[in-house]
Amino acid sequence: AQSVAQPEDQVNVAEGNPLTVKCTYSVSGNPYLFWYVQYPNRGLQFLLKYITGDNLVKGSYGFEAEFNKSQTSFHLKKPSALVSDSALYFCAVRDTNSGYALNFGKGTSLLVTP
Amino acid sequence: NAGVMQNPRHLVRRRGQEARLRCSPMKGHSHVYWYRQLPEEGLKFMVYLQKENIIDESGMPKERFSAEFPKEGPSILRIQQVVRGDSAAYFCASVVTGREAEAFFGQGTRLTVV
Repeated sequence: AQSVAQPEDQVNVAEGNPLTVKCTYSVSGNPYLFWYVQYPNRGLQFLLKYITGDNLVKGSYGFEAEFNKSQTSFHLKKPSALVSDSALYFCAVRDTNSGYALNFGKGTSLLVTP
Repeated sequence: NAGVMQNPRHLVRRRGQEARLRCSPMKGHSHVYWYRQLPEEGLKFMVYLQKENIIDESGMPKERFSAEFPKEGPSILRIQQVVRGDSAAYFCASVVTGREAEAFFGQGTRLTVV
């Protein structure tokens, strides 16, 4: 079985400050990990993914995420937040030992204040 | 992603009617996912299809729901005899083949059952 946990329903950060959105996962095989962002009344947009290789993955809009196998985490980070980053962020995992389902966390609402 | 087209964007149905949701994948993508997003919940996997084949339907409700992806034309998610609990946003995502590929999401169809 595979699962994803996003422990924070909401993250608040001031513009210009670094941000972190947390994600932990549970899989039986090796994970493929993804981050998506959803703006109001829109579909999800792909930000970045980890498949293999370097544990630090860089993605769109200045976001990056670090794969930590020992902690089974894949936290999303950005050095300097923008007000326009305010949105709903979803972490997702696909287990190489399972089928094709991409399982999503419940999402974390990020609010960046001016 | 504008490349994945879903229609209609909004659909209102009375209890007991049928709902048909359409999804045209990005050009060159041979597989589609269907997900459901209920209010205050994350995305729930429903089904994964390739043309003329259902690969994984482990997330589909056992009754009233069906999905197809014909050789020609869009993928269709059909909900028969809708109930109020079916009210949700339904998202389609397309991928090129391969578990490691990121999924590109459409803007969703918001189904309201009255």
